[in-house]
Amino acid sequence: DAKTTQPTSMDCAEGRAANLPCNHSTISGNEYVYWYRQIHSQGPQYIIHGLKNNETNEMASLIITEDRKSSTLILPHATLRDTAVYYCIVRPSYNFNKFYFGSGTKLNVKP
Amino acid sequence: KAGVTQTPRYLIKTRGQQVTLSCSPISGHRSVSWYQQTPGQGLQFLFEYFSETQRNKGNFPGRFSGRQFSNSRSEMNVSTLELGDSALYLCASSLDLDGTEAFFGQGTRLTVV
Repeated sequence: DAKTTQPTSMDCAEGRAANLPCNHSTISGNEYVYWYRQIHSQGPQYIIHGLKNNETNEMASLIITEDRKSSTLILPHATLRDTAVYYCIVRPSYNFNKFYFGSGTKLNVKP
Repeated sequence: KAGVTQTPRYLIKTRGQQVTLSCSPISGHRSVSWYQQTPGQGLQFLFEYFSETQRNKGNFPGRFSGRQFSNSRSEMNVSTLELGDSALYLCASSLDLDGTEAFFGQGTRLTVV
C-alpha cells in the first residue's frame, strides 16, 4: 500500500544539493505527497508536503511533475546532519493521520 | 510549543506480559495515530484515534488495542507479549485538517525477552 518507489540509497557530497526522487505513478487527484526523514532510532521528522504546486520551506524544496506521477525532494546544501532515511509518502486528504511508509532512501552525506 | 511526548522511552517486558504505552499529542491536535517500526517490516500503521474514537485500523492482531481520552492523550496496549512485538512504537499527532502534516514523537523502544 506504500504506492511509492524510491531508490534504496544515495550519496551526496557535503555542501552540494541532494536531489531525492520518488515515483508515485498511481497517485490520485486527492492525494498529497509528503516527505519525512528519520535519523537513526528517532521519530520521523516532517519535511514538506504538496498537492500540485512546487513547495519550498526552510528545510527543502518539493518539485512535483505536472502529471503528478513523480516528485523530487531537494535539500539545497546538504550537511552531515542530513544523513537519514527519507520517506516519500502519498496520503489521501481524507485519511488525515494514516501514513503508509515504504522503504525510503538512505541518504549518505559525505565530507 | 511542546512536541509529541511518548512515555516511557524504553521498556523491557517478558513474553506473556502486557504493556501500556502513552502518547501526549501537541496541544490542540485532535488526531493521534500509532505505528510500529521493526527492522524487518519497516514502519507500519497500527491505528488512529480522533475524538476518542478509533477511526482507522491497520492489519494487526487484536492483542494490539488503544484508546484516546477527552484531552486527546492516547494509550496503546499490547497483551500477551510475543518476542516479535519488540519494536519502536511511534505516535503521531495532527490537527486533523485537510492537507496538514503529522508530527511524530521520539517513540517507545519495547524489548520483549
